[in-house]
Parts: sequence; structure tokens; C-alpha cells
Amino acid sequence: DAGVIQSPRHEVTEMGQEVTLRCKPISGHDYLFWYRQTMMRGLELLIYFNNNVPIDDSGMPEDRFSAKMPNASFSTLKIQPSEPRDSAVYFCASSLRRNTEAFFGQGTRLTVV
Amino acid sequence: DQQVKQNSPSLSVQEGRISILNCDYTNSMFDYFLWYKKYPAEGPTFLISISSIKDKNEDGRFTVFLNKSAKHLSLHIVPSQPGDSAVYFCAVRFDGMRFGAGTRLTVKP
Repeated sequence: DAGVIQSPRHEVTEMGQEVTLRCKPISGHDYLFWYRQTMMRGLELLIYFNNNVPIDDSGMPEDRFSAKMPNASFSTLKIQPSEPRDSAVYFCASSLRRNTEAFFGQGTRLTVV
Repeated sequence: DQQVKQNSPSLSVQEGRISILNCDYTNSMFDYFLWYKKYPAEGPTFLISISSIKDKNEDGRFTVFLNKSAKHLSLHIVPSQPGDSAVYFCAVRFDGMRFGAGTRLTVKP
């Protein structure tokens, strides 16, 4: 397996634009996580899914953020409209089941200017 | 709320010596604990884990200790190598997974 695949690796956008980050988890994994990493807040859990169902989205900072998992092999994190304070590295991770390790993608570095 | 705390932002050790990284958690219901290593511009990489039914787990140079009564876990690296220099995160799984703030380990030759 190629591991968790995220795209794009880098995204530069203007304030107010819509941004969509994509993630392909490892095949067969039941859990998918979205994280945001910043200097101030470290690795924040934004939302996670179990069997494609969102379980906890309490970490999503505002209504401008939304995430979907239409099938077991694809998830998106959307920011609309984007703001400069959304600039961060966004990671996607997946795990086989509950008490197992999660594997991370390479991340998407988002810059909103 | 900081459910997982790593109180040392950085640690510097000499090559060949032991590195000890510490982590505290607040919720006694957490039952699975992990350590990750992260290099710049890469995603975190899983290192070692421990279930709450154990108090020690060893994998080569890496050992994780769990003290449930103190809600404390630690990662020991023996002997430390310059290639171990990275940021280390502890994490707890409850259904989701939350991370501490990380400790930057520098191993000097």
C-alpha cells in the first residue's frame, strides 16, 4: 500500500477563496482523522470518521470548515471562505481500528494571503 | 483543554546516553498510548505504543513505561543516536486520538 495520500502538498490561495484538501486513507482502515498543525496550538484534532461516519467534529474551528467522507477511500476538508489565520499544515491519518496506531500522510501546507 | 501534556519543549543529550521523554494525561479512561516521531516537512511517524493493561513495552532501543496511577508515560531511548534528533509527540487514543505539544530532542555527537 502507498500509505495515506494527501493532495495537494502545497496550496497558496487568496483570502476569501474556497480551499479543498484531499485525503486517500490506507485501504481497509476504518478510522480517518484530520489534524491541523500550527506553532501556537501544535497538532489539533479537527474531526474524525469511523466507517465513513463523522464521530466528533468538536475540533473544527468554525462553520467555515467542513469535512466529508463520501466513501471508504476518500475524504475532503473544505474551508470556505479561507482567512490568513487558516494558514497551517493539515494532516490526514488513518488507522485500522480503535486501539491501533494511525498512519499519517505527508500533509498539505496551506498559505492564505 | 489540554488532555495530554508534554511539559518539556526541548531536550538535549549526548550520543550514547539515555533520552527520557515524559508525558502526562488527565483522563483515566484513556486506554491506549502512543509515541510518534516527526521530522520537518513530514507527517508524524509511529514509534511505539502501549495498552493500559501493561506497564512497559520494549522495541529495540525504545521502551515506553506507563504509570496509570500517576497518569504518566515516558519514552526511553537507549542508546541515543544523532539520527534520533526530531520532535517527539505522545498521543492518547480514546476513539479519536489527541496529541501533546511535543518535545524537540537533540542528540549531540
